[in-house]
Amino acid sequence: EAQVTQNPRYLITVTGKKLTVTCSQNMNHEYMSWYRQDPGLGLRQIYYSMNVEATDKGDVPEGYKVSRKEKRNFPLILESPSPNQTSLYFCASSPAGGISGELFFGEGSRLTVL
Amino acid sequence: QQQVKQSPQSLIVQKGGISIINCAYENTAFDYFPWYQQFPGKGPALLIAIRPDVSEKKEGRFTISFNKSAKQFSLHIMDSQPGDSATYFCAARRAQKLVFGQGTRLTINP
Repeated sequence: EAQVTQNPRYLITVTGKKLTVTCSQNMNHEYMSWYRQDPGLGLRQIYYSMNVEATDKGDVPEGYKVSRKEKRNFPLILESPSPNQTSLYFCASSPAGGISGELFFGEGSRLTVL
Repeated sequence: QQQVKQSPQSLIVQKGGISIINCAYENTAFDYFPWYQQFPGKGPALLIAIRPDVSEKKEGRFTISFNKSAKQFSLHIMDSQPGDSATYFCAARRAQKLVFGQGTRLTINP
């Protein structure tokens, strides 16, 4: 089954404790991206990647890091989480080297930072 | 700064009625306008999309109306059903970024 898989789905952590949210897609898509969803703000892009070793900032990259060492994986790293990073996070992928059409989303990771 | 403004934030429609969600944008560099549908506990999924050289696109009960001069586009759901209850996001693409509206929580009452 074609899918984008995120882990963990739910996480409660404390301020300053490094964490990684993993994202993996099995559709051989070149483009991958991370979004955060907050009430009243919609989905905002954090980082995106056009291909392996090619990443770029989205609209809200502060406090986040990403890496793209393999085509299928695009982990989101929070080096020192803060309460304002409490949010619902989505990983997404798209074929053909960019957002040529459809974005395929994972089911989301709900993060709470205390 | 929100580049795509979506309204209303929430909408309640009776079964069989027409649901209308509106979006407006400022950046004329946007070249693709999709709508995504999100059910609780799930990620958004593409519903329907339109390019700016077309004024209307219809897929089943879902229609996008696009007004390039006004920089506005809207989603119409005809004969709304309880299964349409979800959050809807409009979006606009520029370069390799997809900018989303704030979302509309749609509830269809049976």
